[in-house]
Amino acid sequence: DAKTTQPTSMDCAEGRAANLPCNHSTISGNEYVYWYRQIHSQGPQYIIHGLKNNETNEMASLIITEDRKSSTLILPHATLRDTAVYYCIVASFGGSARQLTFGSGTQLTVLP
Amino acid sequence: KAGVTQTPRYLIKTRGQQVTLSCSPISGHRSVSWYQQTPGQGLQFLFEYFSETQRNKGNFPGRFSGRQFSNSRSEMNVSTLELGDSALYLCASDVSGANVLTFGAGSRLTVL
Repeated sequence: DAKTTQPTSMDCAEGRAANLPCNHSTISGNEYVYWYRQIHSQGPQYIIHGLKNNETNEMASLIITEDRKSSTLILPHATLRDTAVYYCIVASFGGSARQLTFGSGTQLTVLP
Repeated sequence: KAGVTQTPRYLIKTRGQQVTLSCSPISGHRSVSWYQQTPGQGLQFLFEYFSETQRNKGNFPGRFSGRQFSNSRSEMNVSTLELGDSALYLCASDVSGANVLTFGAGSRLTVL
């Protein structure tokens, strides 16, 4: 079972910041928070991941609370092309594990 | 740098037949994972291969199998196809230590 809880859907106005929340209250100390997105019928696309510090890359920012029980993905200036299902995943790649457990994700719709 | 390549992109089979799907990982990636995506169950992990060895397997029946070749290319096979096997099959590769999966565009299988 997925170890994260996300809202089913969200809307965001084009050009505004999209803030996507994720709860992961049972996260373990060695588990990372990953964000992927999937545009209709394409393969999931990696966005960002982090352990406990906030992270930023060219696509997004990831804010992780101090207790690591929740996080927020921020798309600073959403465009219509950002409309997709966003998945928040907690995973550990220690040892041989290369497995992601996907939940239902959040359908983000960017409105013109 | 070429991405993860999956072939064929679309195929139609009938119940009882078998199917083989192919995945070529990103050059230098030695880990290949397979996922099944259906509307009802979402994205589910099938199995993962590293250096020609299966090192992790999801909860799927034995009709689902895979293998990896010395050049890291991977194939998955589904025998005795059922209607419920209709899905998007996704392959992902990972370079050891990066802990970031890169997905292909998927192979969409329809079973009639």
